[in-house]
Amino acid sequence: GENVEQHPSTLSVQEGDSAVIKCTYSDSASNYFPWYKQELGKRPQLIIDIRSNVGEKKDQRIAVTLNKTAKHFSLHITETQPEDSAVYFCAASKGVSNTGKLIFGQGTTLQVKP
Amino acid sequence: NAGVTQTPKFRILKIGQSMTLQCAQDMNHNYMYWYRQDPGMGLKLIYYSVGAGITDKGEVPNGYNVSRSTTEDFPLRLELAAPSQTSVYFCASSYLDSTLGPQHFGDGTRLSIL
Repeated sequence: GENVEQHPSTLSVQEGDSAVIKCTYSDSASNYFPWYKQELGKRPQLIIDIRSNVGEKKDQRIAVTLNKTAKHFSLHITETQPEDSAVYFCAASKGVSNTGKLIFGQGTTLQVKP
Repeated sequence: NAGVTQTPKFRILKIGQSMTLQCAQDMNHNYMYWYRQDPGMGLKLIYYSVGAGITDKGEVPNGYNVSRSTTEDFPLRLELAAPSQTSVYFCASSYLDSTLGPQHFGDGTRLSIL
């Protein structure tokens, strides 16, 4: 079945620096790739997503890139702030053909030091 | 705007006890999902439903049962609680498939089996 690997498991950056989290998926039929942010004790919340017909998507300080050939996608956060500290999860889905099920990566704990 | 509502928020069970985790959504979403999140790990899909009366197994269904009698409700049943089921349980819902909109998560149920 589909497998999603996420790296690194922990990431510590200085405030104002950039952070990059990478995910690799196994099923080439996957066509939807969301990123979720989970603060301590809270629910996962979608921060950005990308579909397989797009190579890059940006929303203010957050961007996601997708390389379908290599089957990997990355989350880029620029000008990091302490409130960016959280656990970030990537996921992959085959959409309608697989009832929209998401397969999640293991998560990355991001710490932004003031 | 309630979204996805889960009850209870916390629960402690003894080994062998049974309980039902409740999940309700008011967004008229067809798809509903149950995940478990073990400490420091990603989310694993337990069961999902594509509509009233239709359910199917996810990655880790053993020890759980579900039903979907209405569009709004998707309860998760633990019949004989085991320590391995200690986890945080998240319910989520979405439209026909996630490519049409993200999965919305509830606040979670923190369950301890002692």
